[in-house]
Amino acid sequence: AQSVTQPDIHITVSEGASLELRCNYSYGATPYLFWYVQSPGQGLQLLLKYFSGDTLVQGIKGFEAEFKRSQSSFNLRKPSVHWSDAAEYFCAVGAQGGSYIPTFGRGTSLIVHP
Amino acid sequence: DGGITQSPKYLFRKEGQNVTLSCEQNLNHDAMYWYRQDPGQGLRLIYYSQIVNDFQKGDIAEGYSVSREKKESFPLTVTSAQKNPTAFYLCASSIGGFSGYTFGSGTRLTVV
Repeated sequence: AQSVTQPDIHITVSEGASLELRCNYSYGATPYLFWYVQSPGQGLQLLLKYFSGDTLVQGIKGFEAEFKRSQSSFNLRKPSVHWSDAAEYFCAVGAQGGSYIPTFGRGTSLIVHP
Repeated sequence: DGGITQSPKYLFRKEGQNVTLSCEQNLNHDAMYWYRQDPGQGLRLIYYSQIVNDFQKGDIAEGYSVSREKKESFPLTVTSAQKNPTAFYLCASSIGGFSGYTFGSGTRLTVV
């Protein structure tokens, strides 16, 4: 079974600084990988996803993520953070075949200082 | 615009009462899902349905029930058997496969 770890519970950055949120997965074959964002009291919104091909994936809101098979990682990045990016970020991993139900990480809370 | 509507946004119930959370989508998605979210625990799958009139238990189905009589609707009933029902409940839908989910805005259930 697949699993996903988000090592950082909280991340604090200053507005305008760069951001990297970490995601590590455990799965034998090539996984399906996702990043979602959740504003307080709201549902999740899909930022980007990776299935195959180019390992650098562009998403919405200026986010990108890079799949690194050798490190079993799919870290989310943004070059310059805006105050509106403050939210909870979830990484999810899915396994090929079966029910296609992804496993979600526990989330990383992003705090943005002015 | 297409999307998923969850209602109500806030729900208060007395202990021992059953309560039903509504989830409606107009995206024409085949698959629908219910998740429970507790602080620091991420999302845990309660039930999912990949086709009308069929559904499967997720990781924490005990104390919950669902129905899928229409493609657009996937209501969740939290029964009195659920030991700790106070939580944030999220409904999602997808085209199928690994297309990614569209989520509703959630229902916060508080049982007193």
